[in-house]
Amino acid sequence: ETGVTQTPRHLVMGMTNKKSLKCEQHLGHNAMYWYKQSAKKPLELMFVYSLEERVENNSVPSRFSPECPNSSHLFLHLHTLQPEDSALYLCASSPASGRGNEQFFGPGTRLTVL
Amino acid sequence: GEDVEQSLFLSVREGDSSVINCTYTDSSSTYLYWYKQEPGAGLQLLTYIFSNMDMKQDQRLTVLLNKKDKHLSLRIADTQTGDSAIYFCAETPWNQGGKLIFGQGTELSVKP
Repeated sequence: ETGVTQTPRHLVMGMTNKKSLKCEQHLGHNAMYWYKQSAKKPLELMFVYSLEERVENNSVPSRFSPECPNSSHLFLHLHTLQPEDSALYLCASSPASGRGNEQFFGPGTRLTVL
Repeated sequence: GEDVEQSLFLSVREGDSSVINCTYTDSSSTYLYWYKQEPGAGLQLLTYIFSNMDMKQDQRLTVLLNKKDKHLSLRIADTQTGDSAIYFCAETPWNQGGKLIFGQGTELSVKP
């Protein structure tokens, strides 16, 4: 247990559905991250939030919409996804967003888009 | 540019040492990390090394850093079947806050 939980662990959705991924950290950290992990590719950083403000958006399509209502919770809202969006979505948190801050990862949500 | 490369697979016998290699391109990276991912789980930080160090040892793990060649390695002594996992190398370029640049991961298979 890393102190970062993600729900659901598995999600299957159609291209017209709307769903949300949830991440919660119990570590008192101020920074939270969304990563996408596709087969045989490096992890791709999607979004970074620091003190509930988005500090990085790595050219992610608008069909992915993050929300950080407080420093303990992070959501990823999904809308009209494509089959190529099927991947493992990992959430992480760290004490702050600067260099040298260890990132703690959740177990991920395995997303399949039909 | 930012690029981290690792070989995709490594197979060793239980009790042997494993050496997982990584090359990176951004010489400004101040921290370099090794993460482990077991099946169905997220990434777990194993160890990290600061760029002014050549070596770091932590129990069965030894990290070697060659800054000149931009080469990082992770040695696991007395490899056990429980070490079977995917190992990711990551760097943090100095000008990108805490952004981690990951390699593709090396899948370590430990045979009894």
